[in-house]
Amino acid sequence: QKEVEQNSGPLSVPEGAIASLNCTYSDRVSQSFFWYRQYSGISPELIMSIYSNGDKEDGRFTAQLNKASQYVSLLIRDSQPSDSATYLCAVNFSGGYNKLIFGAGTRLAVHP
Amino acid sequence: GAVVSQHPSWVICKSGTSVKIECRSLDFQATTMFWYRQFPKQSLMLMATSNEGSKATYEQGVEKDKFLINHASLTLSTLTVTSAHPEDSSFYICSARNRILTDTQYFGPGTRLTVL
Repeated sequence: QKEVEQNSGPLSVPEGAIASLNCTYSDRVSQSFFWYRQYSGISPELIMSIYSNGDKEDGRFTAQLNKASQYVSLLIRDSQPSDSATYLCAVNFSGGYNKLIFGAGTRLAVHP
Repeated sequence: GAVVSQHPSWVICKSGTSVKIECRSLDFQATTMFWYRQFPKQSLMLMATSNEGSKATYEQGVEKDKFLINHASLTLSTLTVTSAHPEDSSFYICSARNRILTDTQYFGPGTRLTVL
């Protein structure tokens, strides 16, 4: 069973702080990892993709991947109330699956 | 780039009728499209994978005769919910995979289906 796990939250952070969202996955040989943001009632929007170990930065977002620990995270710097949403971690599992498995999502609340 | 559209954005129908939802990739060719369903406060559940020119692959527990999927071209896939019932009411979202960035899926805006 291919699994992607996230803490459902809510994760509450003050405006301007760093929000740290975590995700673990079960398949050691997975190659592709994605973070999507979903506002209530709206379809998911791609935030970041990451394929190699280490950090990948895009504006206020940094994705971190550690394949040995089967762990991927998303950092949001200078959090804004508009960042309040559910963040979905998705993993493209190997072995012929060729499809994304989504975590249940972490709800982030950024308060002024 | 990488824009995916869905039509309609919402639909209300009577129990027993069929509803067709279209998913289009507007500025890229998508060899593969995916159909998801999402119930309130739950995560996305993959229903089926649709490959252009071939039969869709359905996930376990999804009735292929109830959820008919057609992927006739590299830019269009359709999902038909046949003989809809109130329990089929949900948010249906498609995604398309870009042929160049083969792992990245881009989502359509979703279709909210309400069956009375």
